[in-house]
Amino acid sequence: GESVGLHLPTLSVQEGDNSIINCAYSNSASDYFIWYKQESGKGPQFIIDIRSNMDKRQGQRVTVLLNKTVKHLSLQIAATQPGDSAVYFCAEAASNDYKLSFGAGTTVTVRA
Amino acid sequence: DTEVTQTPKHLVMGMTNKKSLKCEQHMGHRAMYWYKQKAKKPPELMFVYSYEKLSINESVPSRFSPECPNSSLLNLHLHALQPEDSALYLCASSPREVAEAFFGQGTRLTVV
Repeated sequence: GESVGLHLPTLSVQEGDNSIINCAYSNSASDYFIWYKQESGKGPQFIIDIRSNMDKRQGQRVTVLLNKTVKHLSLQIAATQPGDSAVYFCAEAASNDYKLSFGAGTTVTVRA
Repeated sequence: DTEVTQTPKHLVMGMTNKKSLKCEQHMGHRAMYWYKQKAKKPPELMFVYSYEKLSINESVPSRFSPECPNSSLLNLHLHALQPEDSALYLCASSPREVAEAFFGQGTRLTVV
């Protein structure tokens, strides 16, 4: 599968391969994390979330991993499909805080 | 109803105009947000309303004026905008603090 070790703004992946998108966060107080998918001309769409008392959470074809030691978050997409082409953002928030802050985003392009 | 509805979808306004963006949700969410998103950038938080009271203002210029008439509605009043204010304006809501935010499709604003 395709993967990036550090955050990169773009990721090109072959259809059917696995994708890994990385995100680094800076606020040590953040304890809630979300991955969003944004397609062209649309608002961000929730994919999966994770709280700081967990290090892994799985959804349908997606897995989020959290490494609090190095403040790193990743999203794994299994068997990437053309419909997965979009910009993916990680977002973080701290307890008792409504402020959700977004990372820079990664544009994923799926090759047929 | 699990949607956040924004109107209008597109808006072109002159620098001397006054216009309003509207947002509506019927999920019973107690927090509502305005974000601004420039092309190829992540959403940036502008305002947060919690229980119909303004709880966060991220140092937004006064030419943007938010209003929360009731728990389901959020408006953003625009006056004397500049061309650099052209962007996608996103509304979101969440059931409580530190929770998933649901986004609308956004209003594409162009200031001429």
